[in-house]
Amino acid sequence: SAVISQKPSRDICQRGTSLTIQCQVDSQVTMMFWYRQQPGQSLTLIATANQGSEATYESGFVIDKFPISRPNLTFSTLTVSNMSPEDSSIYLCSVEGTGGLQFFGPGTRLTVL
Amino acid sequence: SQQGEEDPQALSIQEGENATMNCSYKTSINNLQWYRQNSGRGLVHLILIRSNEREKHSGRLRVTLDTSKKSSSLLITASRAADTASYFCATVQNTGGFKTIFGAGTRLFVKA
Repeated sequence: SAVISQKPSRDICQRGTSLTIQCQVDSQVTMMFWYRQQPGQSLTLIATANQGSEATYESGFVIDKFPISRPNLTFSTLTVSNMSPEDSSIYLCSVEGTGGLQFFGPGTRLTVL
Repeated sequence: SQQGEEDPQALSIQEGENATMNCSYKTSINNLQWYRQNSGRGLVHLILIRSNEREKHSGRLRVTLDTSKKSSSLLITASRAADTASYFCATVQNTGGFKTIFGAGTRLFVKA
């Protein structure tokens, strides 16, 4: 299993600003994933972050809005840029363990005013 | 849409009753997983069933998979108030890279 931590756990931000969310894993992993969970909804994959290469974004998500860094095998950041109230969500990072299981961080609850 | 369908969207039962949740998906899969989420916290993995398996058990959980119908069900037997949570199915799809796609989820409320 993998232990994942995220910072911050929650934040309240003003529209037009940006927030960077950090994800730290206790072991080296090749791929890290970022998900968004809008209020009352399921998880939607934003992008897959491989160390040493550009992140791969899903349809509907772009790098300018959600830039991702992956400087090493245990760490990644997701930035939510130029925020609007529609960006209010829980943002979760995850890693894939043995056999295809996903291990999730506790999430970052973002509220944009 | 990334998501598959789950039904029911919400389910309210009495403690001791069984809860059944269904999930359908759209593409071929390598495996299907069920997760639980308490009150907007991180997800916890419950059980994984591979595409060549039809049924799997883990404690009070029973999962079935019908690849011909692209559907799965999660049965929680003898439910407890502590089972109150949202339950999501997720499929690992190989679409130019392996990625996990989540269903819409079922919100289960177990009344004591």
